[in-house]
Amino acid sequence: GENVEQHPSTLSVQEGDSAVIKCTYSDSASNYFPWYKQELGKGPQLIIDIRSNVGEKKDQRIAVTLNKTAKHFSLHITETQPEDSAVYFCAASRGTNFGNEKLTFGTGTRLTIIP
Amino acid sequence: EAGVAQSPRYKIIEKRQSVAFWCNPISGHATLYWYQQILGQGPKLLIQFQNNGVVDDSQLPKDRFSAERLKGVDSTLKIQPAKLEDSAVYLCASSLVREQFFGPGTRLTVL
Repeated sequence: GENVEQHPSTLSVQEGDSAVIKCTYSDSASNYFPWYKQELGKGPQLIIDIRSNVGEKKDQRIAVTLNKTAKHFSLHITETQPEDSAVYFCAASRGTNFGNEKLTFGTGTRLTIIP
Repeated sequence: EAGVAQSPRYKIIEKRQSVAFWCNPISGHATLYWYQQILGQGPKLLIQFQNNGVVDDSQLPKDRFSAERLKGVDSTLKIQPAKLEDSAVYLCASSLVREQFFGPGTRLTVL
């Protein structure tokens, strides 16, 4: 089955600086890579995702890059703000576009933004 | 649009007792997932439903866990009997296409 590794497990950055979280996956057939943000006491919330036919995707301060050859993908957050503090999870899936996804999650990164 | 609803939010039981969790997905979402999230780890899929049918339950400990989805809408997850290692947050998610929307979860503590 799929195995997703995520690093680092904790990350502290000064407000305004950038944060980068990296994940690697094992199944070369995986084709969908979402990133989730989980705040204390809440369920994970999708913040950005990328499909295997795209190398990079950006949404305001958040970007994700994908290297299929190396089987790794990364989350980049620029101009970090205190509200970015949370646990971030990467995930991978080889599902279809018909709601039949089996996500394998990484172990999470606790991001702390220092004011 | 209302999100995924789960209840209860918290549950404390003793080992060998039974417990049930309830999930109401987003209206119209055909696919429903139950995940187990142990403290400090990512969510792990337990079971996936497509309408009424089970798509994947390969990681569900079937000797003690059971789940059903009646009429393709609400779902319940049951543990009987509970073990100490079942202490975790149980998350329900639903999806229309690819994006999965998660509920707030039920935190289970087994003493």
